[in-house]
Amino acid sequence: DIRMTQSPASLSASLGETVNIECLASEDIYSDLAWYQQKPGKSPQLLIYNANSLQNGVPSRFSGSGSGTQYSLKINSLQSEDVATYFCQQYNNYPFTFGSGTKLEIK
Amino acid sequence: QVQLKESGPGLVQPSQTLSLTCYVSGFSLTSNSVHWVRQPPGKGLEWVGTIWTGGNTYHNSALKSRLSISRDTSKSQVFLKMNSLQTEDTAIYFCTRSHGTYYNWFPYWGQGTLVTVSS
Repeated sequence: DIRMTQSPASLSASLGETVNIECLASEDIYSDLAWYQQKPGKSPQLLIYNANSLQNGVPSRFSGSGSGTQYSLKINSLQSEDVATYFCQQYNNYPFTFGSGTKLEIK
Repeated sequence: QVQLKESGPGLVQPSQTLSLTCYVSGFSLTSNSVHWVRQPPGKGLEWVGTIWTGGNTYHNSALKSRLSISRDTSKSQVFLKMNSLQTEDTAIYFCTRSHGTYYNWFPYWGQGTLVTVSS
């Protein structure tokens, strides 16, 4: 199985700041990577697919990058509504696997 | 409008069998695969398994042979059955739909159903 190592586990940042979340795959996943946002009590919501494609309706302050085994999610101009837990997911190989999550809070 | 909604028993006794139903609308099960993902309370996401458009299934080997996924295309329902439940199977179970064949990111999720394994 492909292991997804996500960091940091938690993050505290101020409104308007830029934050980065990283995901490292245990092998090359050829950009078959998605990012999700999950708010408490809610289902995950897709933000990014194919490593850098923005899902319809997602604010442009979210962006994804990376290739091979290293990927990142960037959130510009942090807003209060961005408080959530973020997960990466690889879909290059079954079984699909997720990162352990990054809990984002406002300072 | 694509929608998915899970239904389940809520509480299951240890060693018993879990049966969940995912009701889908807005698409055909013969055109899009449905996946199950679970999340223990306060923890991360685990992909459980899928039923593909042709009806074949694939599941997480970590669940060994405890898992069965099936469907009724005429009723737009997908079923998950898992036997020999243990406390570590306590989780929110989500059904999701992938974007399309070979495009296995998940834009569509059900609300999830909490399954508690306890005597």
